[in-house]
Formats: sequence, C-alpha cells, structure tokens
Amino acid sequence: TQLLEQSPQFLSIQEGENLTVYCNSSSVFSSLQWYRQEPGEGPVLLVTVVTGGEVKKLKRLTFQFGDARKDSSLHITAAQPGDTGLYLCAGLPQGGGTASKLTFGTGTRLQVTL
Amino acid sequence: GAVVSQHPSRVICKSGTSVKIECRSLDFQATTMFWYRQFPKKSLMLMATSNEGSKATYEQGVEKDKFLINHASLTLSTLTVTSAHPEDSSFYICSARVSPGGYEQYFGPGTRLTVT
Repeated sequence: TQLLEQSPQFLSIQEGENLTVYCNSSSVFSSLQWYRQEPGEGPVLLVTVVTGGEVKKLKRLTFQFGDARKDSSLHITAAQPGDTGLYLCAGLPQGGGTASKLTFGTGTRLQVTL
Repeated sequence: GAVVSQHPSRVICKSGTSVKIECRSLDFQATTMFWYRQFPKKSLMLMATSNEGSKATYEQGVEKDKFLINHASLTLSTLTVTSAHPEDSSFYICSARVSPGGYEQYFGPGTRLTVT
C-alpha cells in the first residue's frame, strides 16, 4: 500500500505570510498532482509534476517534485484569504497502466486570516 | 479544462431507501471514472474504479452490493447507494480521467448524502 503523508495537517496563518506544505512517501510515483478543495466542493487540480526535480510555478504557488519522485512540496508566497482550503497531494504509481489509481495524501487544511 | 458534473449536489433520504448519484464528463469522454467518499475534514477515500462497459473494481472493504456502480457510456457513471443507512451519510465525489493512461483526473463537485 502506498501512503502519502502530508505535513502539517493544519496551518493557520495571517495574510501575507509564506508557507510550505510537504507531501512525503517511501514509494516512487510516476507523477504527482496537487489539488485544492473548498468546503462542499470537489477538489480542483492545481498542477501535475512528472519529472524528478521538476519545479512548477503558478502565480504565488511553487510546486516541486523530489529528485527521487517520492516527495513533493507546495510553497505559497504572500498567502491570501482566497488560498484557504484543503490541499491534497495525489500520486500515480510508477508503471501503472490505464487502471492505475491515484493515492491521495492525508491533506493539509490551510486557513489564511486577515 | 475538463468539466465533470454530479447530480444531485445534495440529497436527503430515509433509511432503507436507495439513492442514485450521477457523474458526467461534459466535454470529454472518460473510459475510466472513480468514486470517492470523504468524511468531514478528511482526505478522499477511493471506493471503486468504474470502467466503461465492464464491471467496476471495488476497493477492499467496500460492499459492491451496497454501492452499485454502472458506467454505461463514455460520459456517464452512476453510483447507487442501496438500502441506505445513516452511516452511509457522507460526501461522495466522482472523478474522470481525461484519456486512457493520462496523468490527470478531474473531479466533480460532490454530492452530499444525508440518510435520516
């Protein structure tokens, strides 16, 4: 069973602060995705990283895939209240075919206050 | 981006009745759809993988006779919760894979089921 542990589980910060969320596993993934979910809604895909060491930027969000493709991080610069939500990482197993399933991380709940 | 819809968004039913939830891919064909269950403040738990034209593959511990999944077309999968009980109350979310073997899944907005 592939597990993805996210840390921290919960983060409450003030507007303008920076933060980093970590997603760690002992398993290798062919790709890793980050989602944000707001209460009562489905997760929304933010980014997919595929190559070990890859860094992707999405405005104030920076995503990194570990060199060994076992871990990932999400860094948010100058957080805003609109960043509030549940952040989920999800990995696709290495060598998976069309039936391969995403393994979801344990989730990080972010709250950004004014 | 790819759009997935779910219907209904909220449903309240009485214990012992059955409820059907629809998941549709609106602007793409999905050979594979997934059904998840999410408890409050928790991550998503995969219930089953739904493949068009074949039987769904259920995760360990998920009762296939209770959670009936049908994937009759490339744009529609349904989850029927049979003989629902209060413990089945949850947030059910579907997702669809854009293309076979593709990396990305797009999620529906979820269905809040409350069994009284």
